[in-house]
Amino acid sequence: SQKIEQNSEALNIQEGKTATLTCNYTNYSPAYLQWYRQDPGRGPVFLLLIRENEKEKRKERLKVTFDTTLKQSLFHITASQPADSATYLCALAGDSNYQLIWGAGTKLIIKP
Amino acid sequence: GAGVSQSPSNKVTEKGKDVELRCDPISGHTALYWYRQSLGQGLEFLIYFQGNSAPDKSGLPSDRFSAERTGGSVSTLTIQRTQQEDSAVYLCASSLGRGGYEQYFGPGTRLTVT
Repeated sequence: SQKIEQNSEALNIQEGKTATLTCNYTNYSPAYLQWYRQDPGRGPVFLLLIRENEKEKRKERLKVTFDTTLKQSLFHITASQPADSATYLCALAGDSNYQLIWGAGTKLIIKP
Repeated sequence: GAGVSQSPSNKVTEKGKDVELRCDPISGHTALYWYRQSLGQGLEFLIYFQGNSAPDKSGLPSDRFSAERTGGSVSTLTIQRTQQEDSAVYLCASSLGRGGYEQYFGPGTRLTVT
């Protein structure tokens, strides 16, 4: 069955450094991969979408890569700030699917 | 413009009672999703609606759960004879369409069954 894995342990990063989160998947060939941010007590908020034919996508301090051979996406936050502390979720979808397949999320903690 | 809204924000109910949770999606979004999230856990898909098509109910955990979407807009999730294991945050999201479109989430309804 389709499976997505994100680091279950919290990731602690010093302020100013680059945070890198990993999303691995198996038994699936997604057309799209999305990243969301979720703060405590709130619904997820969309950050970036990358297509299967794209290697990299950037938005301000955020960068996402998508390697369909490794079946992996990396999510980078450069010049990290304490305000970036949150749980980050990855989600996959096929071209004709309405459903997203969600990872469990990785909690990111940026220390001042 | 207005985002996705959900009501109530919090609901405390006694075991065995029925509850209704409401979702107002973003105007013009044809897809609407319901998820459940227990404390510290990921999103559990429950059901989604797309336009006038029959809903995908494959994620509903039991026949105590049902949902409807009236006029292609507002949706109601109903849980009958609530159990303590139903306690969770119920999130609604809407989208313009298929997987290439992002989902916009509401703030959620926190359900506590005592």
